Amino acid sequence: DAKTTQPNSMESNEEEPVHLPCNHSTISGTDYIHWYRQLPSQGPEYVIHGLTSNVNNRMASLAIAEDRKSSTLILHRATLRDAAVYYCILSSSNQFYFGTGTSLTVIP
Amino acid sequence: EAQVTQNPRYLITVTGKKLTVTCSQNMNHEYMSWYRQDPGLGLRQIYYSMNVEATDKGDVPEGYKVSRKEKRNFPLILESPSPNQTSLYFCASSFQGARYEQYFGPGTRLTVT
Repeated sequence: DAKTTQPNSMESNEEEPVHLPCNHSTISGTDYIHWYRQLPSQGPEYVIHGLTSNVNNRMASLAIAEDRKSSTLILHRATLRDAAVYYCILSSSNQFYFGTGTSLTVIP
Repeated sequence: EAQVTQNPRYLITVTGKKLTVTCSQNMNHEYMSWYRQDPGLGLRQIYYSMNVEATDKGDVPEGYKVSRKEKRNFPLILESPSPNQTSLYFCASSFQGARYEQYFGPGTRLTVT
């Protein structure tokens, strides 16, 4: 069974915020939540990760629910370069479990 | 430039012919890992290594071998490839595992006929 579930696809208007959801109801106390994105014909690229608290970096923000069973990746202002497949991942004992990803389309 | 390199980038082979896909990183990372990517299944971890001479199975290790004799290299070995191993393979490395950012290689597209 998949450890994370994400919507298959989402759309956003350019320069609008984007909220990408992820459910991980079987998460354990020591599991980290990671987000990566993948552009066509490239390897995945790190976006952000966290354990319990919300996290911010130059690319995005990660909001983690209080019970840790879900999280949301927030892109504050979508650009055309943000069009990609976004993967929500759990890491457990140094193993990584990818979801099937959300394909984000950014509309000019 | 910090990077993870993989070779070859593309490979077409026949069933049963042993092959090795190389992976190298220049960041002095302790953790390295192999993934396969298949349509509709996302990325699945094959093997990972916490450090030299320390390797562990991931989610889908059947049919694969790895070795970690040097910190920078982590080759993936298919002793007897089968058509169901046709896939896109990615190598990745990170400083020390799950708490750190992973850097991915460009991928190796393998076709087994």
